[in-house]
Amino acid sequence: QKEVEQDPGPLSVPEGAIVSLNCTYSNSAFQYFMWYRQYSRKGPELLMYTYSSGNKEDGRFTAQVDKSSKYISLFIRDSQPSDSATYLCAMIYTGGGNKLTFGTGTQLKVEL
Amino acid sequence: NAGVTQTPKFQVLKTGQSMTLQCAQDMNHNSMYWYRQDPGMGLRLIYYSASEGTTDKGEVPNGYNVSRLNKREFSLRLESAAPSQTSVYFCASSEVRGGTSPLHFGNGTRLTVT
Repeated sequence: QKEVEQDPGPLSVPEGAIVSLNCTYSNSAFQYFMWYRQYSRKGPELLMYTYSSGNKEDGRFTAQVDKSSKYISLFIRDSQPSDSATYLCAMIYTGGGNKLTFGTGTQLKVEL
Repeated sequence: NAGVTQTPKFQVLKTGQSMTLQCAQDMNHNSMYWYRQDPGMGLRLIYYSASEGTTDKGEVPNGYNVSRLNKREFSLRLESAAPSQTSVYFCASSEVRGGTSPLHFGNGTRLTVT
């Protein structure tokens, strides 16, 4: 079993939809949680960063962490075609040698 | 301000050939990393350099060597390429190694070994 599980998709939604992207994890020691966005043929770029449980909002994006369920989510409101990309979750804990563990990514397509 | 620059962008090698992937960052970051990305496997750490003068193995170091040439540059060498090393290789850097310091990635080198 992988430490971090992420549905690969592809997920196709109409423009303006609310998108929910999710990851589950098995290691309860994870402390820091990140979402990276990766456009085709580009490197991942950091989108959101949260520490421990709770919500964090940045414009149309909301990152949510539920440590009791070992579940993290990224919500995208009013989705745009420019949001079409692969979204990677990532997480780390300082006791684990600072090893950053990535999910495999969910491919999102926002259609006009 | 280029961020993380990788060369070359594409490369085709025959089995047994060698090559070096180059990476440079202009953000004055202390830590640098090499990842490979394969379908269904996600990003896997090959080697990292927590600071200038140090290098350490990641999850999948076999068949690779690295050199931290100076604070800016971190190269990855394949001594004898194998088809299993066909992948997209990403270099990344961060201010320090740890949870509070996000990674900045280059745009990758697409390597095919035939």
